[in-house]
Amino acid sequence: ETGVTQTPRHLVMGMTNKKSLKCEQHLGHNAMYWYKQSAKKPLELMFVYNFKEQTENNSVPSRFSPECPNSSHLFLHLHTLQPEDSALYLCASSQDLRTGPYPYEQYFGPGTRLTVT
Amino acid sequence: GNSVTQMEGPVTLSEEAFLTINCTYTATGYPSLFWYVQYPGEGLQLLLKATKADDKGSNKGFEATYRKETTSFHLEKGSVQVSDSAVYFCALSLQGGSEKLVFGKGMKLTVNP
Repeated sequence: ETGVTQTPRHLVMGMTNKKSLKCEQHLGHNAMYWYKQSAKKPLELMFVYNFKEQTENNSVPSRFSPECPNSSHLFLHLHTLQPEDSALYLCASSQDLRTGPYPYEQYFGPGTRLTVT
Repeated sequence: GNSVTQMEGPVTLSEEAFLTINCTYTATGYPSLFWYVQYPGEGLQLLLKATKADDKGSNKGFEATYRKETTSFHLEKGSVQVSDSAVYFCALSLQGGSEKLVFGKGMKLTVNP
């Protein structure tokens, strides 16, 4: 595997389900990101991790719970979602946010298409 | 705050047509500017970037020049191909404390043979 991979690629879940999205990067990066891409809206940054530490939570509802066990893996745990949470969830990675070089080029995975019924 | 405004499509062009996608930004500091492209079924890929005024980013026949006086970063290509059909996103980032990319809404381009 190369680059940034995401699984599953498609997910349909009910509002009472619990599921997790997985992201893995094979680029030797230390920063990882979750974005939400909804129709007709700009990409929204959700979370940023640098060296496994969360450095940004962009006012995301608690029904989304990120986990970063190491610099190569990032999870997004989902529970009691709402239909408006249906979107494409993109993971990205970049080099170390503390040492650069700036600007930090982000590499994106293909996304998980989530449908909440 | 920081924001990016870009042309909203969708736009349909014929092969070999000239392409311009307008992008303007508002930033509290001195941003770096990017164009990302998203092909169908894929994630975003960096197309080109510019980090200071008057820099020109270029890649795959696409160009964009960082214009500080007009706070713009318009994307151009002289002759589009069917394979350029995708969604194009303009974005900015600011160094120091805010590593995040701020994206425009994206513009879908379809190129017909």
